[in-house]
Amino acid sequence: AQSVAQPEDQVNVAEGNPLTVKCTYSVSGNPYLFWYVQYPNRGLQFLLKYITGDNLVKGSYGFEAEFNKSQTSFHLKKPSALVSDSALYFCAVRDHNTDKLIFGTGTRLQVFP
Amino acid sequence: EADIYQTPRYLVIGTGKKITLECSQTMGHDKMYWYQQDPGMELHLIHYSYGVNSTEKGDLSSESTVSRIRTEHFPLTLESARPSHTSQYLCASSDDWGALDTQYFGPGTRLTVL
Repeated sequence: AQSVAQPEDQVNVAEGNPLTVKCTYSVSGNPYLFWYVQYPNRGLQFLLKYITGDNLVKGSYGFEAEFNKSQTSFHLKKPSALVSDSALYFCAVRDHNTDKLIFGTGTRLQVFP
Repeated sequence: EADIYQTPRYLVIGTGKKITLECSQTMGHDKMYWYQQDPGMELHLIHYSYGVNSTEKGDLSSESTVSRIRTEHFPLTLESARPSHTSQYLCASSDDWGALDTQYFGPGTRLTVL
């Protein structure tokens, strides 16, 4: 079965520092991986996705994610965090059999000024 | 921002009432989804649709029902609301481009059943 794991419930980082939000996946076949962000009282917003090609994927708001096949990871990164990046972040993988997205449990990112 | 709308944004209602949560999108997407989001964050797929007259149950059992009479509209109905239905409900849609499809989410409806 396809699944993703987000091992950290919360990540704290100081403004201006680099941030990483971790995600590992388990799929049969080629993984199609996504990152979404949820700001307070809002729906999820698409950040970026990996389907094929370059392992480093660039997305919205300065975020990027690195696909690592050997480590089965798809960590979300940003070189310099902003307080406004504070939100919930969800990693997801597409289930090839059903076309559904399987979401991780989410990671709360808190950026302190 | 994607063109997908949910109403109401917030709803407080008494036990036993029938409610319908509205979801509409103007992007012409074939696929639509309903998720239930726990207070602790996790998302659970409760219904989805591949197009008009198509509805499927998701991974999480739900007492709600859905209909898809028009492409742009995917309402969710609870015949008799209970406190256990208190949650946030997120609607999403995606276009049918296989691996390239990305789900776009509405702002959500936060439901409280007293």
